[in-house]
Amino acid sequence: DTEVTQTPKHLVMGMTNKKSLKCEQHMGHRAMYWYKQKAKKPPELMFVYSYEKLSINESVPSRFSPECPNSSLLNLHLHALQPEDSALYLCASSQDGSGSSYNEQFFGPGTRLTVL
Amino acid sequence: GQSLEQPSEVTAVEGAIVQINCTYQTSGFYGLSWYQQHDGGAPTFLSYNALDGLEETGRFSSFLSRSDSYGYLLLQELQMKDSASYFCAVKAAGNKLTFGGGTRVLVKP
Repeated sequence: DTEVTQTPKHLVMGMTNKKSLKCEQHMGHRAMYWYKQKAKKPPELMFVYSYEKLSINESVPSRFSPECPNSSLLNLHLHALQPEDSALYLCASSQDGSGSSYNEQFFGPGTRLTVL
Repeated sequence: GQSLEQPSEVTAVEGAIVQINCTYQTSGFYGLSWYQQHDGGAPTFLSYNALDGLEETGRFSSFLSRSDSYGYLLLQELQMKDSASYFCAVKAAGNKLTFGGGTRVLVKP
């Protein structure tokens, strides 16, 4: 299984809602990532988990809260979002999250989020 | 911080060769990777260069010159399915990837 799955595919939420995005991989990878991608722009790194510990937070606002319950699962909890947070949210995983050797990142299909 | 420059768009015909250049300024460089993303799809890995030189994978090749902070992706024998966005990305510590702005490749019949 070389797939990263994300649910839901689409999400529409109001600014007062609380929702969660989910990501799962069964490749035995120990690093997982959240990216945000706006239309016609590159993916921007938000968070990195390495061995289930948060290792990188790219100064993301606290209305985004990541969680890694176990090595296969990654969640992104959303609360009090703004319309400018509307974007494609991509999850990725790789074998490892450290060291100088390359670890190819496998991306999921993303969740397209619209904040009204 | 990191900054990467690549052309925004390239148009070519089927069977042609396209070279996408990428220049970067970075603190803490481990290597340069390339990803392809079709409209509505997820980025997929194409190649990675940690050392100077050319890496060939089928119709796609990637080159790196660390001294020039420069790399390129070469797409040969272009096919319609190669129409997509191509991103260079610098790898830093912690497998952190910073992506360039992307090059949209349009392949015409």
